Amino acid sequence: NAGVMQNPRHLVRRRGQEARLRCSPVKGHSHVYWYRQLPEEGLKFMVYLQKENIIDESGMPKERFSAEFPKEGPSILRIQQVVRGDSAAYFCASSPTGGFTEAFFGQGTRLTVV
Amino acid sequence: DAKTTQPTSMDCAEGRAANLPCNHSTISGNEYVYWYRQIHSQGPQYIIHGLKNNETNEMASLIITEDRKSSTLILPHATLRDTAVYYCIVRVATGASGSRLTFGEGTQLTVNP
Repeated sequence: NAGVMQNPRHLVRRRGQEARLRCSPVKGHSHVYWYRQLPEEGLKFMVYLQKENIIDESGMPKERFSAEFPKEGPSILRIQQVVRGDSAAYFCASSPTGGFTEAFFGQGTRLTVV
Repeated sequence: DAKTTQPTSMDCAEGRAANLPCNHSTISGNEYVYWYRQIHSQGPQYIIHGLKNNETNEMASLIITEDRKSSTLILPHATLRDTAVYYCIVRVATGASGSRLTFGEGTQLTVNP
């Protein structure tokens, strides 16, 4: 867990603003997963990325949400024009391969939309 | 991925073994059983996984029935810090092709002093 760094840990945005969530994977890990956890609910898969490629985005809302994992730098989850329903904890996990056995989760970013 | 059924909540006394059951009656031959836990407000933590043999590591033991339709996660000496939601997940270990884990509702384990 300690290896995956997410920032910020807490983010407050007003309705209509943009939220950018960053995830730095464990050094050497080229696979990143994003999950969302709404209050009092379970973890829901959003997107799976490898360096510079989106592999599976079947859990991403069709509008306002996007993700990237550039060749250099952290993975970014971007939410445009945030609404109150976007308030949640967003977790990132990384693994050295596509298999999930060795995946480690970060501590999450808690987004609050006011 | 096969569906799993877990009790909503369980209690355990500190120092005693915690046995968390999971039913996965529709599991197929190439699907593994994974266990993760989430301590309040933290990111999920990998515990253990197995295919058909029992497994043990420094955190826990995993007992899988011979027909593979159910399994039990055992925390041999539960501590207060083991209080968490425990998720049982079954999926194919796809290796390099990649896949995600589907988290269900899990079992809220509360370890009491």
